[in-house]
Amino acid sequence: EVQLLESGGGLVQPGGSLRLSCAASGFTFSTYAMSWVRQAPGKGLEWVSAISASDGTTYYADSVKGRFTISRDNSKNTLYLQMNSLRAEDTAVYYCAPFDFWGQGTLVTVSS
Amino acid sequence: DVVMTQSPLSLPVTLGQPASISCRSSQSLVHSDGNTYFNWFHQRPGQSPRRLIYKVSNRDSGVPDRFSGSGSGTDFTLKISRVEAEDVGVYYCMQGTQWPPTFGQGTKLEIK
Repeated sequence: EVQLLESGGGLVQPGGSLRLSCAASGFTFSTYAMSWVRQAPGKGLEWVSAISASDGTTYYADSVKGRFTISRDNSKNTLYLQMNSLRAEDTAVYYCAPFDFWGQGTLVTVSS
Repeated sequence: DVVMTQSPLSLPVTLGQPASISCRSSQSLVHSDGNTYFNWFHQRPGQSPRRLIYKVSNRDSGVPDRFSGSGSGTDFTLKISRVEAEDVGVYYCMQGTQWPPTFGQGTKLEIK
């Protein structure tokens, strides 16, 4: 059974940092490009970042470039998102997804 | 970035009746490799998104055949032949042809 389990969300103050993780199982993780997609409360889906399967090339939305870093550890079947300099507008549920399937999401709340 | 515009944004439908959602892109979604990387997703209330259709018209595993996708270039359509209660929620189109991937605003389907 395919599973994507995100973790690491929580409440953080503006300017703070969080590291999200996404543990994958049930498929060959190393062969999939992976993305983080977020959904602000009551809003639509916004692609945040992606990392290729093969050479680890990374891509970022302009809204997070320079603040977020995506990475993966294929030996651990895990995807990461390091989020620094967090802002109120980063508040959202963060999903990891190769788009074929999605995790359940982890909520990040940026508030003082 | 490629802008994806969905219509309608709200879709009240009677059970057993057909439904149709349109998605238009600001640029052609035909990739240089000849494929069109266009997807439809469904998100039920309180759940993660689920992909229904990939590359315009291919149904994902387990997706009922009452769902069909069509279109080309910049104009795409999702059709539900007979709406069932489990079809409520928000439908999103997404293009993966050009970086960054972009989503439509979402169409909320509800039962009349």
